[in-house]
Amino acid sequence: GEDVEQSLFLSVREGDSSVINCTYTDSSSTYLYWYKQEPGAGLQLLTYIFSNMDMKQDQRLTVLLNKKDKHLSLRIADTQTGDSAIYFCAEPYFKAAGNKLTFGGGTRVLVKP
Amino acid sequence: DVKVTQSSRYLVKRTGEKVFLECVQDMDHENMFWYRQDPGLGLRLIYFSYDVKMKEKGDIPEGYSVSREKKERFSLILESASTNQTSMYLCASSPSLALLSYEQYFGPGTRLTVT
Repeated sequence: GEDVEQSLFLSVREGDSSVINCTYTDSSSTYLYWYKQEPGAGLQLLTYIFSNMDMKQDQRLTVLLNKKDKHLSLRIADTQTGDSAIYFCAEPYFKAAGNKLTFGGGTRVLVKP
Repeated sequence: DVKVTQSSRYLVKRTGEKVFLECVQDMDHENMFWYRQDPGLGLRLIYFSYDVKMKEKGDIPEGYSVSREKKERFSLILESASTNQTSMYLCASSPSLALLSYEQYFGPGTRLTVT
């Protein structure tokens, strides 16, 4: 993948649901990833989805994958102030040696009380 | 737990200085990566290494070099620091592709300011 795109910013009220969207480029991607970066920290893997799945749920997180449109989304239910962070989607990059990832530009989520 | 550590959280250097950023991982991972992160630009890959003494250029290698003499350690070198290299630098590691996983584990980052 060469161009993974995300919206830059999302504002949400505490208790509401957040939906972060991502479009990717490589239809042969096996895994697609969501990472979370809290202020002043590195990235941590939040969740991932295998390409043969349409949906994956993990507690408050739901990942939806639309392979036809190459669209990935992350839904956070009952958003909390601790969910304020930058969220990155990522897909494997197959064009060279080594298992690289191409990251989107990141979506900054601000949770308002 | 996988641990990736970086030598400094914050660093201030002068223009023209040679700067070393060190990264160490404790999970015997084959692959290691250096990224820089700038507002609005996301993560951009500078260099990566898939084995000891092996290195590959990423998307923005100009002005940087790397060294991987031991499996656990991957160093990023700014030969002559410039103000446009002021950024957050993130190191990551990942296991062999044979495990069919592309998951990368990140260090906490080094915020470098070049004055």
